This record gives sequence, C-alpha cells and structure tokens, in this order.
Amino acid sequence: GAGVSQSPRYKVAKRGQDVALRCDPISGHVSLFWYQQALGQGPEFLTYFQNEAQLDKSGLPSDRFFAERPEGSVSTLKIQRTQQEDSAVYLCASSLLAVVMAFKETQYFGPGTRLLVL
Amino acid sequence: KNEVEQSPQNLTAQEGEFITINCSYSVGISALHWLQQHPGGGIVSLFMLSSGKKKHGRLIATINIQEKHSSLHITASHPRDSAVYICAVRSVGGSNYKLTFGKGTLLTVNP
Repeated sequence: GAGVSQSPRYKVAKRGQDVALRCDPISGHVSLFWYQQALGQGPEFLTYFQNEAQLDKSGLPSDRFFAERPEGSVSTLKIQRTQQEDSAVYLCASSLLAVVMAFKETQYFGPGTRLLVL
Repeated sequence: KNEVEQSPQNLTAQEGEFITINCSYSVGISALHWLQQHPGGGIVSLFMLSSGKKKHGRLIATINIQEKHSSLHITASHPRDSAVYICAVRSVGGSNYKLTFGKGTLLTVNP
C-alpha cells in the first residue's frame, strides 16, 4: 500500500534555474493538491487538480509556477527562473474523491520536496 | 491576522505530562483537521472534526463550533510525540476543498 511519494526529496538550485518537482499520488485518487511551506510557517495552498483538470490555480504565486497532471495520475510542479524566495518545502497531497465530496475527505500527504535556491 | 491561529507556538514537556494545543479560527468552516509533521517528514492526518470530540489512543481532539475553537490533547506524553502539530480548516462554500493552515505548534517531549 504505497502512499503519496514525491521526488526529489531535496533540490538545490541556482537562482534563475528551472526546476521540476514530481508527485505520485495514491493510485486511484481523484484529487491532487500542491502546497508550499516556508520555513516556520504552515503550508499554503498552491493548486488543485481533479483528475487531469486543474480546477484551481489561485495560490500559484507567480506565472513562473506551472503545474500539470496530464493523465490524471502523476503531477509535476515546475518553477521557472527560480528565485531565493521560492525556497520552501513543496508538499503534494491526494484524496480519493472529487471536489464535490472533498469536505468529507482526508488528504494524504507526501514527504515533500525541500527546495533551496542559492 | 491569520484565519487560523495556534497556541502555543512552542511547547516543551516532560514525559508523562498532559499536553494541550489550541486552535482558533475566524471563518465559517465545514471541517477542522489536526495534522502531525515530523522533522524532514511529511504530514500525517490525525483527526478530522466537524463537531464534538474524537479520541484515538492517547490523542483527543475537541471542537466548539460556536466559539470557533479546537483543542488537541495528548495524554501520558512520550518523546516520540515530539513533532509539529498543525491545525487546518476547510471553509464553507465553493472552495471547501482548500485547507487553510495554522503555523503549527512545535512540541518537544523530554524523557
């Protein structure tokens, strides 16, 4: 029974470099979320997918951030031209049901990717 | 002002002590979550509450909807309980899939 996995676990990038962070949700989970957690803070919502559809991207901090889930399973969060303020832990979570029932649902979190931009 | 406020920010206890962590929120909610985050690790969901009280082992979570307040209690605390405990709420309405998180409470239990 695999949980949510993320890769890489740690990423060091030079300022201006592009990075791609991967999330493998629990098999069969319809909903997938990305969160950003700055040091000493709680996570903050970035974006939400229902299957392959990105229903909410209101939390993405700038147009340098892009997320996709083309086949409704694995998702990738891409950050272009990374800046130092992008340094954070990026968490992925999935849940079984679609958004209509989401208020009843537990989200299952991955271990996160710790991104450090130098 | 954050929509979700936790207290205390840091808590140090001796093994065996009874622990209480508090969470206050300012919006209407459909559910409140208590989560545990170990250093370098992911987040584990402990409880999801919309009313009343839930118990799992040594952990107890309560919520008072009228007062917009929830508490997480740990009885007979143990060093392995050391972690960050995070309160998160789901608001009512169209974006109820979103979680809004508190900043977390860092709990250290010394042997």
